[in-house]
Amino acid sequence: NAGVTQTPKFQVLKTGQSMTLQCAQDMNHEYMSWYRQDPGMGLRLIHYSVGAGITDQGEVPNGYNVSRSTTEDFPLRLLSAAPSQTSVYFCASTSALLNTEAFFGQGTRLTVV
Amino acid sequence: RKEVEQDPGPFNVPEGATVAFNCTYSNSASQSFFWYRQDCRKEPKLLMSVYSSGNEDGRFTAQLNRASQYISLLIRDSKLSDSATYLCVVNIYRNQFYFGTGTSLTVIP
Repeated sequence: NAGVTQTPKFQVLKTGQSMTLQCAQDMNHEYMSWYRQDPGMGLRLIHYSVGAGITDQGEVPNGYNVSRSTTEDFPLRLLSAAPSQTSVYFCASTSALLNTEAFFGQGTRLTVV
Repeated sequence: RKEVEQDPGPFNVPEGATVAFNCTYSNSASQSFFWYRQDCRKEPKLLMSVYSSGNEDGRFTAQLNRASQYISLLIRDSKLSDSATYLCVVNIYRNQFYFGTGTSLTVIP
């Protein structure tokens, strides 16, 4: 029962470096999303996708890119890491059925120094 | 204005106590509502969905008032294992979930 799998679990980057956070789900869910969680801010939506080939911006998209080439995968790219991107990142997937919950990966703790 | 507002707490209650959390949301077109639980440094996990008719799962009762745009969670007979952060979550459209900042609960022996 893998569900939503995120890698890596921890990452330290230097300012200006780029990296990709991986997210994969095996539940055949149509919808996938990326959130960041900061103290006192709750989870905020970065980008989301309603299906392969379709992505859109959430509340805080600046500095991040996404793509959705398959139903299963939804990677998040940091093009040029900044200290303000230090956060915990969660990937989630949801069925397109109404009123269904989001399932989360275990999170990636990213520190940008 | 935030889409979802929650009292961050913290709530420190003795074992066996009843505790209630409240949440308000701003978008009247919101489609579905949930309470999630998040343990320290872990991912959020669904505690229960919230329906207009109210729903109960053991010691947990959730209520939704669409007219007031208000969601509540009641925990009866608190256990030490209930200590966590409780997140109010609103699905506004498709998979756009909006989260409250969470309410911290510590149950004290």
